[in-house]
Amino acid sequence: GQSLEQPSEVTAVEGAIVQINCTYQTSGFYGLSWYQQHDGGAPTFLSYNALDGLEETGRFSSFLSRSDSYGYLLLQELQMKDSASYFCAVRDQRGSTLGRLYFGRGTQLTVWP
Amino acid sequence: GAVVSQHPSRVICKSGTSVKIECRSLDFQATTMFWYRQFPKQSLMLMATSNEGSKATYEQGVEKDKFLINHASLTLSTLTVTSAHPEDSSFYICSAILRDRRLSAGGNEQFFGPGTRLTVL
Repeated sequence: GQSLEQPSEVTAVEGAIVQINCTYQTSGFYGLSWYQQHDGGAPTFLSYNALDGLEETGRFSSFLSRSDSYGYLLLQELQMKDSASYFCAVRDQRGSTLGRLYFGRGTQLTVWP
Repeated sequence: GAVVSQHPSRVICKSGTSVKIECRSLDFQATTMFWYRQFPKQSLMLMATSNEGSKATYEQGVEKDKFLINHASLTLSTLTVTSAHPEDSSFYICSAILRDRRLSAGGNEQFFGPGTRLTVL
């Protein structure tokens, strides 16, 4: 089975830095992805780590440690529009069902002015 | 970028009726499409994997006779919720994988539709 843990809520003020952690237990692992979802909207891809280390994309960075089954999403220079739910997801490559994603429960980020 | 559409965006139906939701990849061919269900403030739960021209693969606990999936072409998959009941009310989201993975960038190879809000009265 698949199990991903992340905090349910995080709050911060504009301009601050926030780190959202994700730990996972999966029967197969082919990379950790992060998605952003605004209320009622579709998940939007933010980043993907297949190997250990840090990936940086603008204000967002993501880190992975496969030995620790752990990753995090770092959001810098927070803006009000960053208020959303953030999901970590593990890609489980097994057999012919390539690309299946298993999502964590999501972290609701609220950014205050 | 790759665009996935869903229709309808919102549907309200009576208990016992069937509802069909369409998922289309607009500007690319998708070998595989996925169907997810999301309850309020909850995670996206994978329901099934849909491959063009073959039977869908359902996740454990998902009733295949209740959630019928048809993947008739490389750009269209449909999910039919049969004999819907209030507990089926949820946000249903599909996603699609590019057939040509060389077009994927930075690990983003699964593109999500905007979702369908189903309310069963």
